[in-house]
This record gives sequence, structure tokens and C-alpha cells, in this order.
Amino acid sequence: NAGVMQNPRHLVRRRGQEARLRCSPMKGHSHVYWYRQLPEEGLKFMVYLQKENIIDESGMPKERFSAEFPKEGPSILRIQQVVRGDSAAYFCASSPREGRAGELFFGEGSRLTVL
Amino acid sequence: GEDVEQSLFLSVREGDSSVINCTYTDSSSTYLYWYKQEPGAGLQLLTYIFSNMDMKQDQRLTVLLNKKDKHLSLRIADTQTGDSAIYFCATGSSNTGKLIFGQGTTLQVKP
Repeated sequence: NAGVMQNPRHLVRRRGQEARLRCSPMKGHSHVYWYRQLPEEGLKFMVYLQKENIIDESGMPKERFSAEFPKEGPSILRIQQVVRGDSAAYFCASSPREGRAGELFFGEGSRLTVL
Repeated sequence: GEDVEQSLFLSVREGDSSVINCTYTDSSSTYLYWYKQEPGAGLQLLTYIFSNMDMKQDQRLTVLLNKKDKHLSLRIADTQTGDSAIYFCATGSSNTGKLIFGQGTTLQVKP
């Protein structure tokens, strides 16, 4: 049973470009969470999605950031017009149902570098 | 907002016990977690404890919770060089995977 798969693992973008990060949850998991880890900091919650629905986006910056989890295919975190401050590791986590302890599994992260 | 605080760095000798501490502010936290992150890798769930428990032991790991003081600790017995990593404390409520993480404690294990 493959774990949470994220790609790309590393992404380099120039300021103003777009970044797309993908997350395939574990098999049987329909709940996806995105977290951001700035250098030397802990993870900060960004958004919680279920299939075709955004449940909680209270941690998402209001501009340039969007997330989706379509009926088919991976969840995508999209950052438009990237700036240097977007450089971070972006982690996806999935769970089979809402909020059961020990059932939240993290991917290995996508590390975005903005030049 | 809610907050989770950890000391940033701990250095121990191989074979010693390590104790990593965490304090939190959200009194409604139902679950408290410890995650391990090795360089360049994702987060690995080590253990978790329900807020109505005082202690949980799992092989070399012991978690202690003082709910009154909102203090959580992780003790690693017989620490090995492979335990060198960043350890994150996190809190959550019962109905969501939305967690609040501390900034992480870097554990350095010297041979």
C-alpha cells in the first residue's frame, strides 16, 4: 500500500511564475490536508479538502494560493506569481475519515525554491 | 491564536535518555502527537496520547501529559544515533486532522 505521494519533490521557480504541487493520498483516503513549513519553523495548516470540496481554508493566504481535490486525480496546490517568501516545504497529509488520531499520514513534501 | 512551544535543541550521548518538552495553550486539544522528521524527509508519527491520559509507553518511548499545566513530554530511552532528527509536538481536536505544530526540537545524539 503506497503512502502519500507528492510530486515534484523539488521545484525551482523564478519570481512571477506559477508553481503546481501534487498530492496523491493513500489508497482509500478521501481527506487531504496541506501544510507549509517555512525554514527553521514548524508546519502550519493551510487547507483541508475532501473530494471536490474545500472544507477549511483558514490557513491559506487570500491571494495567489488555491487548492483543489477533484473527483479523479491528485489534489493540487497552486501558487500563482510566486515570490521569494513562498520558498518552503509543502506537505500533504491524508486520512481515511475525519480526524481519527493516528490515521493522518504525511507525504515527504515538495520543496519549493523561488529564485 | 493557539500556540505550541518547544525548546529548539537538545544534545545527548548515545545510550542516555532524551526528554523533549512541549507546552501548549489550547485547552480543548483532544489529541497530542509526537512526530519525527529526518533531514529532507516527511513527518513520521511516533506516538500520540489522548487528553484524558497521563502517560503512554511504547517500547523506548514514554509520553507524559500534565493537562493542568498543558505540558507534554517525550522520553526516549537508550537514545541511539538513528534517533537524531527533529521532533515535533502537535495538538489537535477530535474531529479534524488540522493540527497545530510546535517549531520542532532538534535532537543531536553524540556517539
